[in-house]
Amino acid sequence: GAVVSQHPSRVICKSGTSVKIECRSLDFQATTMFWYRQFPKQSLMLMATSNEGSKATYEQGVEKDKFLINHASLTLSTLTVTSAHPEDSSFYICSAARVLLILTTEAFFGQGTRLTVV
Amino acid sequence: GENVEQHPSTLSVQEGDSAVIKCTYSDSASNYFPWYKQELGKRPQLIIDIRSNVGEKKDQRIAVTLNKTAKHFSLHITETQPEDSAVYFCAASSVFGPGTRLSVLP
Repeated sequence: GAVVSQHPSRVICKSGTSVKIECRSLDFQATTMFWYRQFPKQSLMLMATSNEGSKATYEQGVEKDKFLINHASLTLSTLTVTSAHPEDSSFYICSAARVLLILTTEAFFGQGTRLTVV
Repeated sequence: GENVEQHPSTLSVQEGDSAVIKCTYSDSASNYFPWYKQELGKRPQLIIDIRSNVGEKKDQRIAVTLNKTAKHFSLHITETQPEDSAVYFCAASSVFGPGTRLSVLP
């Protein structure tokens, strides 16, 4: 399968600071990238969907000013958690999708980033 | 928007038995249904997927069926092995179900 690289894998930051997470598709062009948040022993909650060159579409309840998403190229998307607080501590994971056929896509996940805000 | 339900939330089977996980979705426009396996502390891995123009797909011990009319799809694992123990997630396009924790008992 295709390779998606996400960095960093772990980050600890102080409350009030910002953290940037990168998601790269290494061997294919990702038309769409998805950002998820996963709490312990729970499912992946879709935060936002981003298409290259356009603004991200955020899911209901996700603060777009707090979780800034940039999708500047077909191989890179970034998620910036601004003014992080302890409740933002979570596992964040991206997936990059490529189009296989009309209206069908295949998505691959990054390794995930475990964010701890202290 | 899309809503995906998944059952059961936990499933224990004896090694060698079959396991079945079922999902339903709400958006009839969804046309891609992947299944992911997530082991503890690791990223989800795509194990099989099915598209709306197909009713069934099989890959060795894993099979998936799709009923577009009823808007449900299922994952079937035969001859289960201890290494099949993990959390399995279904998805309708980019929306995930809540997951099923499968335990295969030796």
